[in-house]
Amino acid sequence: LAKTTQPISMDSYEGQEVNITCSHNNIATNDYITWYQQFPSQGPRFIIQGYKTKVTNEVASLFIPADRKSSTLSLPRVSLSDTAVYYCLVPYNNAGNMLTFGGGTRLMVKP
Amino acid sequence: DTGVSQNPRHKITKRGQNVTFRCDPISEHNRLYWYRQTLGQGPEFLTYFQNEAQLEKSRLLSDRFSAERPKGSFSTLEIQRTEQGDSAMYLCASSLGTSGRHSTDTQYFGPGTRLTVL
Repeated sequence: LAKTTQPISMDSYEGQEVNITCSHNNIATNDYITWYQQFPSQGPRFIIQGYKTKVTNEVASLFIPADRKSSTLSLPRVSLSDTAVYYCLVPYNNAGNMLTFGGGTRLMVKP
Repeated sequence: DTGVSQNPRHKITKRGQNVTFRCDPISEHNRLYWYRQTLGQGPEFLTYFQNEAQLEKSRLLSDRFSAERPKGSFSTLEIQRTEQGDSAMYLCASSLGTSGRHSTDTQYFGPGTRLTVL
């Protein structure tokens, strides 16, 4: 069963690139990896999703190595408003219908 | 606003009381999920519905918890005989539900209902 591991917290400064890595050793071959952002007292918000190699959208990039045992969320030029908790999400059961958020990474962006 | 809505946003109750939360998903979404989130932790899966059918339940969903989704639209989550350990944020999410593997669906979350059990 897949389980995710992320750094508990990270600090950065405005304008820097931030990379957050999540390990998911037992992800099923046909499952995707999804990243969410959560602000205090709000529900998580979808950021990006991928299966392999690299995916890029208007807010982030997602890098997934060939073995798919980890993924890295890349946030270019962060701003203060990117201060939040970031979660990678994968299924944790064989049927792929129960998803685990894990503990998340608390990103603090400083001026 | 066509997003996921949840009511109430906050609920304070005394231990032993019953509470019920409501979730209204995005209208064309077939799947609806319930999660529980305690302070400092990530959301934990509780259960999900495909249309009106409840297809999966977590072990976290004790027999004091019951969820329904009549007619495949809104859903309710009821907690009977609340305990202080039930204090948490209860999140609802919905997705189109077109794929057998849920990881390919994007889940859209509501703002949550914060429950405090005194």
